[in-house]
Amino acid sequence: EAGVVQSPRYKIIEKKQPVAFWCNPISGHNTLYWYLQNLGQGPELLIRYENEEAVDDSQLPKDRFSAERLKGVDSTLKIQPAELGDSAVYLCASSLGFEETQYFGPGTRLLVL
Amino acid sequence: AQKITQTQPGMFVQEKEAVTLDCTYDTSDPSYGLFWYKQPSSGEMIFLIYQGSYDQQNATEGRYSLNFQKARKSANLVISASQLGDSAMYFCAMIDFSGTYKYIFGTGTRLKVLA
Repeated sequence: EAGVVQSPRYKIIEKKQPVAFWCNPISGHNTLYWYLQNLGQGPELLIRYENEEAVDDSQLPKDRFSAERLKGVDSTLKIQPAELGDSAVYLCASSLGFEETQYFGPGTRLLVL
Repeated sequence: AQKITQTQPGMFVQEKEAVTLDCTYDTSDPSYGLFWYKQPSSGEMIFLIYQGSYDQQNATEGRYSLNFQKARKSANLVISASQLGDSAMYFCAMIDFSGTYKYIFGTGTRLKVLA
């Protein structure tokens, strides 16, 4: 069974540029998560989807971050414009349901110059 | 508020020996779950083991076992017969089943297995 797929794996951009990350969850997983992981820290939740509905986006900086999961399967996380402090690893995870074990993708490592 | 604490930023263990990674948690919810994940240098978080707050027995998965002491609010990970491939970051996480269902992660412990 394929795991959570993320692309790109690495991205280098200049500040003020836009950037987008893509995630395809494990087939059949209704719940999808985006996390931010800073160096030396544990992941922090940005947004959680139940199918196509964002049920927890309280930690998403909505002035520059946006996310969508239009058909309830794959998802896109966007930053516009990117700032130097956005340099981090962006992890996507999925689970059968919100109370189930989460399985993570390999992450996208973003560097903003 | 929920909190996960991992007090060991780094640990060394000799190959084939056992090692314990500490994790303490804080929650007022009676129903919660505890997880351990491994994150190698490639970046992917790999699920290792799960313990529910109402589980009577400590969870085991192959060489991994979870030493769950509910009264002390600790959920330490024990890795037996360490292998070189066990070198990685290890994160303890908790989810509460009574409210937000949000995962809270600790800051991680970096384990280095020595040949």
